[in-house]
Amino acid sequence: SQELEQSPQSLIVQEGKNLTINCTSSKTLYGLYWYKQKYGEGLIFLMMLQKGGEEKSHEKITAKLDEKKQQSSLHITASQPSHAGIYLCGADGGGATNKLIFGTGTLLAVQP
Amino acid sequence: DVKVTQSSRYLVKRTGEKVFLECVQDMDHENMFWYRQDPGLGLRLIYFSYDVKMKEKGDIPEGYSVSREKKERFSLILESASTNQTSMYLCASSLGLAGVGDTQYFGPGTRLTVL
Repeated sequence: SQELEQSPQSLIVQEGKNLTINCTSSKTLYGLYWYKQKYGEGLIFLMMLQKGGEEKSHEKITAKLDEKKQQSSLHITASQPSHAGIYLCGADGGGATNKLIFGTGTLLAVQP
Repeated sequence: DVKVTQSSRYLVKRTGEKVFLECVQDMDHENMFWYRQDPGLGLRLIYFSYDVKMKEKGDIPEGYSVSREKKERFSLILESASTNQTSMYLCASSLGLAGVGDTQYFGPGTRLTVL
C-alpha cells in the first residue's frame, strides 16, 4: 500500500525566514494535495499537483512535484506568524474512488 | 465556496453510549468521507460514500457505521462508544471526478472524548 512520509516532523523558524517541507511517496503520485490545519480545526486546501515537474504558487507558498512524481515540496517564503500550523500532504493513489492517503504532517511554528 | 459543516465542535460521551456525528455539505458533491485524526497516526479513513445509500469501508471501519440517506448529509455512528474512539473526527466531501484531481474539502472537525 502507498505510504507518504513528511519531513521534517516539526519546524521552528524566525519570522521572515524561508522554509521547505517535503513529502515523499512510496509509489507514483497521481495527485498530490497540500493542506494546512490550525490546531483543533479542519483542513484548509492549499494546492493540488498532478503533472511531473508541476509548480504552483499562492501568495508566499509554492508547491512543486518532481518529474518522477514521487516527491513534493512546499516552500514558504518570508514566513509570517499566520503561516503557523500543521501542513499535510495527501496522495491520490489512482483508481475510481478518489481516496486520499495522508502523511503524518509537519508542525510549523513561526517565532515573531 | 464549498462549505462542509459538522454538527458539533466538541462532544463528550460515556463508554457504551451511541454517538452520532453529522456532516453536511452544500455543493452537491458526490463523495463524502469520514476520517479520524490521532497524534502520530495522521488522518485515517473510516468510511466513505460515493452516492446516496452507497458506502465503502476505509482503513479502520471497526466500531463504526455510516448512513447517507440524502446527498448532502453523511452521518458517522459509534454504536457503543469506547475510550479508544476518543479522537478528532473530520468529514470531507469531493465532487466525484475519478482520475482528474478531485479535491477533498474538509469540515471544522469534531473533537470527541469518550469517558
